[in-house]
Amino acid sequence: NAGVTQTPKFQVLKTGQSMTLQCAQDMNHEYMSWYRQDPGMGLRLIHYSVGAGITDQGEVPNGYNVSRSTTEDFPLRLLSAAPSQTSVYFCASSRQGKSSNYGYTFGSGTRLTVV
Amino acid sequence: AQKITQTQPGMFVQEKEAVTLDCTYDTSDQSYGLFWYKQPSSGEMIFLIYQGSYDEQNATEGRYSLNFQKARKSANLVISASQLGDSAMYFCAMRGDKAAGNKLTFGGGTRVLVKP
Repeated sequence: NAGVTQTPKFQVLKTGQSMTLQCAQDMNHEYMSWYRQDPGMGLRLIHYSVGAGITDQGEVPNGYNVSRSTTEDFPLRLLSAAPSQTSVYFCASSRQGKSSNYGYTFGSGTRLTVV
Repeated sequence: AQKITQTQPGMFVQEKEAVTLDCTYDTSDQSYGLFWYKQPSSGEMIFLIYQGSYDEQNATEGRYSLNFQKARKSANLVISASQLGDSAMYFCAMRGDKAAGNKLTFGGGTRVLVKP
């Protein structure tokens, strides 16, 4: 049982380049989300999805796109990388339901540097 | 909108002593959940404890307990008998109800350093 798998673990991009951060989960979780964590700060929600074909914006969505074609995968696309997007990115998933106690499972993170 | 506030950016605690990490929240959701996560220097997010908004008893998980005061909108984490391995960042988070997308909102974190 792999849980939430993020790739790559590290990435360096040049300003203006595009790339996709991959996230996959094998727990059949309906809910998936992407966060960024800047140094010394908490996690901020970028985008989230409550199921295949359904996505919505979080707190800091600008410069990022997502899609959810399957339950398992939730890739995050950087359209034109900027130094302000240098951060650690976490993908997380959980069950969806009436109860709010369905905890999140986090991936190990992707450390992105934009130069 | 949901908001989580952690007012202690950092704190020292002596090994084997207890420490309380403060967390206050603001939400208009009727049903919500409160979580605490630990992030060691290695970077992974480790779930510690959960408290539901309708739970009458405070949650406990081993050395971790959550002091939930709903009227004050606070959810403080208490770590008893601190160990050197407890040195880490600690984040309070809140998950709203399904109508709000079940989004998980984090506070800014508290860095704890346990002294031998």
